[in-house]
Amino acid sequence: SYELTQPSSVSVSPGQTARITCSGDVVAKECVRWFQQRPGQAPILVIYKDNQRPSGIPERFSASSSRTTVTLSITGTRVEDEADYYCYSAADNDWVFGRGTKLTVL
Amino acid sequence: EVQLVESGGGLVKPGGSLRLSCTASGFTFSRYSMTWVRLIPGKGLEWISSITSGASYTYYADSVKGRFTISRDNARNSVSLQLSSLRAEDTALYYCARWMGDSCGYFPDYWGQGTLVTVSS
Repeated sequence: SYELTQPSSVSVSPGQTARITCSGDVVAKECVRWFQQRPGQAPILVIYKDNQRPSGIPERFSASSSRTTVTLSITGTRVEDEADYYCYSAADNDWVFGRGTKLTVL
Repeated sequence: EVQLVESGGGLVKPGGSLRLSCTASGFTFSRYSMTWVRLIPGKGLEWISSITSGASYTYYADSVKGRFTISRDNARNSVSLQLSSLRAEDTALYYCARWMGDSCGYFPDYWGQGTLVTVSS
């Protein structure tokens, strides 16, 4: 199986842009999904493919990619965005989550 | 509104067994694949098993293969996960989720609130 690497934590001030990276041997970077999990709540999908957002997810959430890294960006970060964020991808019937990044907004 | 409600978690001794269930509503259950994902304290989310809409295919993570069994009952809108030979490292919050497919593959799009499994002597 393969691995997706995320930083364990990211901190940002309210109103600033938070960037959370995800790296690994991902063949199709546009197919990386992102989940948000607030404390005590179930995960929710915030980016599902080609930088698309499900209905109800604010425009401040977006994704981009470089040669080796996919990045979730949250522009104008709000206190309610404080949560764990997981990238997710799949290959050859192996579905993998990154280890998660704790986003602190303070 | 899609709703998924898990049940069956609890405290079990190492080597023991447990059966988790998930009841779905708000969508045509028989048309969707379903999956189980667990949240391990300090380690994050781990996909563990999936089953196709008609139960023709099942998939397991290496960490649970041979110990866990997924099944479904489309008449009752439910999916189950039988956990056997449990280990301390199986302690986790177990989520049931709808398994959605698109051109990029499968992913969990709607999740339940989870049921807690604690493996301890």
